[in-house]
Amino acid sequence: AQSVTQLGSHVSVSEGALVLLRCNYSSSVPPYLFWYVQYPNQGLQLLLKYTSAATLVKGINGFEAEFKKSETSFHLTKPSAHMSDAAEYFCAVSLGTGNQFYFGTGTSLTVIP
Amino acid sequence: GAVVSQHPSRVICKSGTSVKIECRSLDFQATTMFWYRQFPKKSLMLMATSNEGSKATYEQGVEKDKFLINHASLTLSTLTVTSAHPEDSSFYICSARDPRGDRYNEQFFGPGTRLTVL
Repeated sequence: AQSVTQLGSHVSVSEGALVLLRCNYSSSVPPYLFWYVQYPNQGLQLLLKYTSAATLVKGINGFEAEFKKSETSFHLTKPSAHMSDAAEYFCAVSLGTGNQFYFGTGTSLTVIP
Repeated sequence: GAVVSQHPSRVICKSGTSVKIECRSLDFQATTMFWYRQFPKKSLMLMATSNEGSKATYEQGVEKDKFLINHASLTLSTLTVTSAHPEDSSFYICSARDPRGDRYNEQFFGPGTRLTVL
């Protein structure tokens, strides 16, 4: 079975500090992994995706994530938080082309001035 | 490219009425669309997978007679909430799969529809 676990439903960081949002997955086959951001009352915007190419994936807005098979992890990082990064972040796993997504429960990021 | 729209963005209706939500892929043809429901402060719950020209596949626990899904064309899927009740109030989000090239493994999300049933 496929699943995603996001550790920490709420994360607070100071402006300028490192952002680390954790995601661990379970998959019976090599997965495709995604990070999405959601602002209030809006849909989901893709930050980045891993599709079996480079293990370190760079996305939009300065975010990146590293696929670590041995740890079954795909943590999202950003070196320096901005106020505009405050939002809900979702990690998702897919088995590959044509398959449905399984979403984590989300992490709410607060950025403290 | 790969833009998905939803209409309406917000709808308020009386209990017992039906509401239709449209999901459109604006610049690509989507053979598969997905409908999600999101409760406040919660993750997305997949309701159903909609394939153009065939019946939707509903997830366990989702009432197919209450949540009618139609995917009549490659750019349009509709979700009709029939005989809506206050407990149906939620944020509904659709997504679409772009079959072109390496985008096939992604889903592109609409902006969501906030349904409030009085």
